[in-house]
Amino acid sequence: EIVLTQSPATLSLSPGERATLSCRASQSISTHLAWYQQKPGQPPRLLIYDASNRATGVPARFSGSGSGTDFTLTISSLEPEDFAVYYCQQRSNWPPNFGQGTKLEIK
Amino acid sequence: EVQLVESGGGLVQPGGSLRLSCAASGFTFTTYWMGWVRQAPGKGLEWVANIKTDGSDKYYVDSVKGRFTISRDNAKNSLYLQMNSLRAEDTAVYYCARDGGRNFDCWGQGTLVTVSS
Repeated sequence: EIVLTQSPATLSLSPGERATLSCRASQSISTHLAWYQQKPGQPPRLLIYDASNRATGVPARFSGSGSGTDFTLTISSLEPEDFAVYYCQQRSNWPPNFGQGTKLEIK
Repeated sequence: EVQLVESGGGLVQPGGSLRLSCAASGFTFTTYWMGWVRQAPGKGLEWVANIKTDGSDKYYVDSVKGRFTISRDNAKNSLYLQMNSLRAEDTAVYYCARDGGRNFDCWGQGTLVTVSS
């Protein structure tokens, strides 16, 4: 089973700042990684698939990178609506595990 | 517009059973794998089960194998999760999700399952 480790657990930043979230896989998953955003009381929303492709309707300030075991989600300039919890998920092997999440909070 | 609407959640005693349903609309249901993902209160996301387009292949997380059964009725554009022998640790919001191939690209609003005496 592939384990995904996200860091940091909590990230405190201000609107306008750049956010960098990390997801590390316990073994290589090529680019078979997705990122999701979840706000309180809402279901997750797909942001990035195949490590670097933005899903439909996702603003250009969100970008994903990485391959193999190390992946990054970058938000270039934080908007107030970006403060949420972010999860990565691998789809290389069964089971399609999620990381434990990074909470992005307002500083 | 793609819509997934879950129903069937509620309070059930340990050892009891519950059947969740998910009504899909706005897309060709028969061409997508579908899945269930759960989230315990205040916790992260956990994939539960997936089912192939025609129902011929099914996958489960180890913790629910032998207790949960995923199924679908393509004529009704519906996905189901039969949950038996429920435990306290199954308490969670259960989300129905469309499998876009290497991601879950659409999600329902979720239905809460509480296992408690």
